[in-house]
Amino acid sequence: DIQMTQSPSSLSASVGDRVTITCRASQNINNYVNWFQQKPGKAPKLLISTASNLQSGVPSRFTGSGSGTDFTLTISSLQPEDFATYYCQQNYDSTPYTFGQGSKVDLK
Amino acid sequence: QVELQESGPGLVKPSETLSLTCTVSGGSINNYYWGWIRQAPGKGLEWIGYIYFSGATNYNPSLRGRVTMSVDTSKNQFSLRLGSVTAADTAVYYCARPWVFWGQGILVTVSS
Repeated sequence: DIQMTQSPSSLSASVGDRVTITCRASQNINNYVNWFQQKPGKAPKLLISTASNLQSGVPSRFTGSGSGTDFTLTISSLQPEDFATYYCQQNYDSTPYTFGQGSKVDLK
Repeated sequence: QVELQESGPGLVKPSETLSLTCTVSGGSINNYYWGWIRQAPGKGLEWIGYIYFSGATNYNPSLRGRVTMSVDTSKNQFSLRLGSVTAADTAVYYCARPWVFWGQGILVTVSS
């Protein structure tokens, strides 16, 4: 299985901060990475697909980058509604489609 | 707008079979892949598997042998069966049309 290692597992930040979450794959997965946001009691929401494609309706403060094994999700200016847990996921050719362990963003 | 809704028992006894159904509304089940994902309490996300509308399946090897998925195109539904459950299978189970559309999730507790 392809392992997805996310960091940090949690971080405290303030409104307006720039936040960066990284995800490392255990092997080359090209750009087959999705990023999800999950709020308590809710289903995950797809933010970014294939490493950098912002989904319709997702604010432009969210950006994704990377290819190969190293990927990044950046929130340029954290907003109150962005406090949540974020997951990366690989959907490369081989299953299972594994998720990172999650990065919880909370208020400093 | 496509909507998905999970249904099934919220409590299953150990060693029995967990059965869930996902009903798709607002769009056809045809020509898409449909998946199941679960999340144990306080834990991360685990992909269970997917089924194509034609019935072709792909399961997580960690669950292979216990999981079966099926699709009923006439009802616009697809289903999950997970056998020989233990407490470790207690989780919120989500159905999804990978990866944009998700159900709200259903908590299934394995307990006697």
